[in-house]
Amino acid sequence: DAGVIQSPRHEVTEMGQEVTLRCKPISGHNSLFWYRQTMMRGLELLIYFNNNVPIDDSGMPEDRFSAKMPNASFSTLKIQPSEPRDSAVYFCASSLSEGLWGPQHFGDGTRLSIL
Amino acid sequence: SQQGEEDPQALSIQEGENATMNCSYKTSINNLQWYRQNSGRGLVHLILIRSNEREKHSGRLRVTLDTSKKSSSLLITASRAADTASYFCATDAAGNTGKLIFGQGTTLQVKP
Repeated sequence: DAGVIQSPRHEVTEMGQEVTLRCKPISGHNSLFWYRQTMMRGLELLIYFNNNVPIDDSGMPEDRFSAKMPNASFSTLKIQPSEPRDSAVYFCASSLSEGLWGPQHFGDGTRLSIL
Repeated sequence: SQQGEEDPQALSIQEGENATMNCSYKTSINNLQWYRQNSGRGLVHLILIRSNEREKHSGRLRVTLDTSKKSSSLLITASRAADTASYFCATDAAGNTGKLIFGQGTTLQVKP
C-alpha cells in the first residue's frame, strides 16, 4: 500500500519567494496533519483537517502560512513570503479516526531551506 | 509547553542489550503513542496504549503506562543495530481532539 506521499522532498529557495508543499494522504484516511520539525523546537503541529475541514490551525506561526485541503486526497501548505527562519523539515501525516483517534502515518517530509 | 518529555535525551548501548526510554506528561490523556524516526525519514508509529491499559507488548517492544505518575516507558529488548533511531512519545490533547503533542525524543544508538 502507498504511504503518505509528500513533494518535493527537498526545496531550496530565496527569501521572499512563495513555497508550496504538497501532500497525498493514505487513501481512506479522513484526517490530515501538517507538522514542522526543527532541532530547536522539535516537532510542532501546524494545522490539521478532519474530513477536509480545518479543525485547529492554532499552530500556524503567521499569516504567511496557509493550508488547504480541497479534497480527501490532496493538501497543500503554502508559505508566502518565505523567510530564512521557515527553514525546517515539514511533515504531513494522515490517520483514520472513527470516534477514537488512531495512529498517524507520516510521509518522509519536505526539507525546506530558505536562503 | 511540551506535554511529553522523554528521558534520557540520548542513549548508547551494545547490540543485544535492552534499551529503556521514559516519557512524562502533564495532563490527563486518552492514549499515549510511541513513534520511531530514522534519520532523514518520517515518524513511524510503534505502539498505542490507552489510558485504561497498563502494559502492552509488540514483538520486542514493551510499553508501560502509569497514569497516577503520568509516565510511560518503552523497553526494547535484545536491541539490534537497526533499532538505531530517535524515539518519541506523543500524547493526545485533553478532550479527544486527535491533536498529538510530541516530546523532544530520545536518540538511541545501538552499536554492533
